[in-house]
Amino acid sequence: EAQVTQNPRYLITVTGKKLTVTCSQNMNHEYMSWYRQDPGLGLRQIYYSMNVEATDKGDVPEGYKVSRKEKRNFPLILESPSPNQTSLYFCASSPDRGRGELFFGEGSRLTVL
Amino acid sequence: GEDVEQSLFLSVREGDSSVINCTYTDSSSTYLYWYKQEPGAGLQLLTYIFSNMDMKQDQRLTVLLNKKDKHLSLRIADTQTGDSAIYFCAERWHSSASKIIFGSGTRLSIRP
Repeated sequence: EAQVTQNPRYLITVTGKKLTVTCSQNMNHEYMSWYRQDPGLGLRQIYYSMNVEATDKGDVPEGYKVSRKEKRNFPLILESPSPNQTSLYFCASSPDRGRGELFFGEGSRLTVL
Repeated sequence: GEDVEQSLFLSVREGDSSVINCTYTDSSSTYLYWYKQEPGAGLQLLTYIFSNMDMKQDQRLTVLLNKKDKHLSLRIADTQTGDSAIYFCAERWHSSASKIIFGSGTRLSIRP
């Protein structure tokens, strides 16, 4: 089944404790992206990647890192999480360098205390 | 600015039509999308329209595009309880093919 898989789905952590949210897609898509969803603000792009070893900042990259060493995986790293990073995070992938439909994972709800 | 604007809530009676409205910013946007988010799930593409079209119909869904006013609407005919969800309008910028801007989402609730 074609899908985008995120882990963990739910996480409660404390300020400053490094964490990684994994994202994997099995559709051989070149384009992958991370979004955060906050009430009243919709989805805001954090980082995106056009292909392996090609990443770029979105609208709200501060406090996040990403890597794209393999085509299928695009982990989101929070080196020192803070409470303002409490949010619902979505990974998405797309064929055709992001021009086509975005396929979303089910989301990862992160709470930073 | 890069704002795609939608009202936050809409409540309709089951069987009526729902109309969700959106205004976007980039007059040269090439694609405009409607995504649906059901509770506890990620977003799924519902429909999209090319910027050179005025209307697109797909079963119960009708998308209207007014380029002059930068206004996009989604009409759902014969609204059912399964249509309860958050609907996101999104635009793909012409100047950056990989950049898609999402609105804040409209939560559609259905009254019996």
